[in-house]
Amino acid sequence: DQQVKQNSPSLSVQEGRISILNCDYTNSMFDYFLWYKKYPAEGPTFLISISSIKDKNEDGRFTVFLNKSAKHLSLHIVPSQPGDSAVYFCAASVSGGYQKVTFGIGTKLQVIP
Amino acid sequence: GAVVSQHPSWVICKSGTSVKIECRSLDFQATTMFWYRQFPKQSLMLMATSNEGSKATYEQGVEKDKFLINHASLTLSTLTVTSAHPEDSSFYICSGTDLYGYTFGSGTRLTVV
Repeated sequence: DQQVKQNSPSLSVQEGRISILNCDYTNSMFDYFLWYKKYPAEGPTFLISISSIKDKNEDGRFTVFLNKSAKHLSLHIVPSQPGDSAVYFCAASVSGGYQKVTFGIGTKLQVIP
Repeated sequence: GAVVSQHPSWVICKSGTSVKIECRSLDFQATTMFWYRQFPKQSLMLMATSNEGSKATYEQGVEKDKFLINHASLTLSTLTVTSAHPEDSSFYICSGTDLYGYTFGSGTRLTVV
């Protein structure tokens, strides 16, 4: 049973436009959500996170939105840049900190110059 | 920032041999180390959780006698794949965590021939 779902395996966006990556989760115990970016042959790097007490968190070009009732979160990248081309993983945990993280399958984003 | 140094980045071994993967946390103490693996077109799957000085906790379906985890210090954790078989070929990645979040190693691509 996949508790964190990223239903779009890939996404192509024109440079300068907005990229929207979606993620759904099924476990209502999750209260901390993270997005990671991964380049080929490298480990995932942390991008942005959000606690369930918030519905939005912004960091520069990256904004994460959380809809708890729908068990849905999304990552918005605006404006998109070619260097943003990577695989983006949505992840969730219970009470953050030392708890294990459950990952989605990832969405490959390609930003076209 | 926090860095987890993971070695080797790739390894090819013969079936039946053992391979050790090492993760060192630099500039921070990883109280907990998570070990993941990722098969092609699948999500990062948690294999085990290890806390410094104690036995690792393995996820369901992961053989603890095959995947030996040692977390001898707050800065070093190792995963040994014993008697490797071709089906163990995968991408293995560690993640060290402290109070501030998770930091991933760069991953190890294991190919068993």
